[in-house]
Amino acid sequence: DAMVIQNPRYQVTQFGKPVTLSCSQTLNHNVMYWYQQKSSQAPKLLFHYYDKDFNNEADTPDNFQSRRPNTSFCFLDIRSPGLGDAAMYLCATSRGGTPSYNEQFFGPGTRLTVL
Amino acid sequence: GESVGLHLPTLSVQEGDNSIINCAYSNSASDYFIWYKQESGKGPQFIIDIRSNMDKRQGQRVTVLLNKTVKHLSLQIAATQPGDSAVYFCAESSNDYKLSFGAGTTVTVRA
Repeated sequence: DAMVIQNPRYQVTQFGKPVTLSCSQTLNHNVMYWYQQKSSQAPKLLFHYYDKDFNNEADTPDNFQSRRPNTSFCFLDIRSPGLGDAAMYLCATSRGGTPSYNEQFFGPGTRLTVL
Repeated sequence: GESVGLHLPTLSVQEGDNSIINCAYSNSASDYFIWYKQESGKGPQFIIDIRSNMDKRQGQRVTVLLNKTVKHLSLQIAATQPGDSAVYFCAESSNDYKLSFGAGTTVTVRA
């Protein structure tokens, strides 16, 4: 089945130690998104790629970076994780194209713990 | 900025009853709306969507109603089952490939 895959499902890192979260998709979608979700809150968009075009949200801290080396993969890099970065990180994809509104498909998420 | 919100953070419903989850939005430019279900420890799962040129759309046991006059969206779940226990998010989009999520409603189904 076509899907969005996130690895690892659980990640533990130390305060200040860089960490990379991975997302891959078999849907061949143009758009890939990274969201941060804290307990009992709505997902918060960090940034998205439309193909190779990177779109950062205005309030996303510089500590968060992303890479999309090809259509299938997208990475979230947290350069110096703080305790406040502990959260669920969700990757999503959408088809893109026209019309611009369409369903986003979510992966299972990576639960990040910062010690 | 404008955002989508839900009226109630929690909803408790008896198994077999119908559930109604409400959502208000403020962005008059929104033209696409979607409901997601999120179970504990999982990613959001698509339930149903609706575009602004429609007032109602039905799926399997679910119905979404859109009232553009008062900027209100609702999700109706028929014959609620224990497996429907989850957090439900509404989200809206205004032609920019992005979704803006509401705060979520936690639905608990009582046996």
